Amino acid sequence: DAKTTQPPSMDCAEGRAANLPCNHSTISGNEYVYWYRQIHSQGPQYIIHGLKNNETNEMASLIITEDRKSSTLILPHATLRDTAVYYCIVRVPRTNAGKSTFGDGTTLTVKP
Amino acid sequence: DVKVTQSSRYLVKRTGEKVFLECVQDMDHENMFWYRQDPGLGLRLIYFSYDVKMKEKGDIPEGYSVSREKKERFSLILESASTNQTSMYLCASSSLGGDSTDTQYFGPGTRLTVL
Repeated sequence: DAKTTQPPSMDCAEGRAANLPCNHSTISGNEYVYWYRQIHSQGPQYIIHGLKNNETNEMASLIITEDRKSSTLILPHATLRDTAVYYCIVRVPRTNAGKSTFGDGTTLTVKP
Repeated sequence: DVKVTQSSRYLVKRTGEKVFLECVQDMDHENMFWYRQDPGLGLRLIYFSYDVKMKEKGDIPEGYSVSREKKERFSLILESASTNQTSMYLCASSSLGGDSTDTQYFGPGTRLTVL
């Protein structure tokens, strides 16, 4: 699986968009980008994933650069409940028995 | 919705005790995983299983064993608990299905303290 780099922490004002970057410059052609988040004292929760097109669901949007070397998770209107650690993972789906490597992630703090 | 449940949210055991952590998923997922999470070390994979009775070591299997006798249940066993196994233990499952997103669904975690 390709290695990812994320900033250790970010702040965001409540109601504003939170943009969380992830660098994955060694990504290969068949690797997808997955995002999870972990709210304090809970298990990680899947947010979104994509290959090369931008993706949107009810939780967030995922923007992947054209060269696929980086991506941004966007929470359009951050709330206090979005305070969590956000993990960016790159892997080929349905391989290696589904194992994922979770790095240190980005701690997002949403402030009132 | 996928549901992954773990037998306890909090557990306190004594050094040398045998400890069983149970995980059950209700979505017929093939893959199941056990992680531990410690401050500053992130999530580390202990063991995983891709089918009934099949298991493979993860990154930190020492001091642990697992059992998967039924598809929906994956147990983590600490044969003789030690204080350095005090941690948050997280179970997860995922599907190998052709249309699956291959995402992992996590349980709420068990915070184990070994005294």
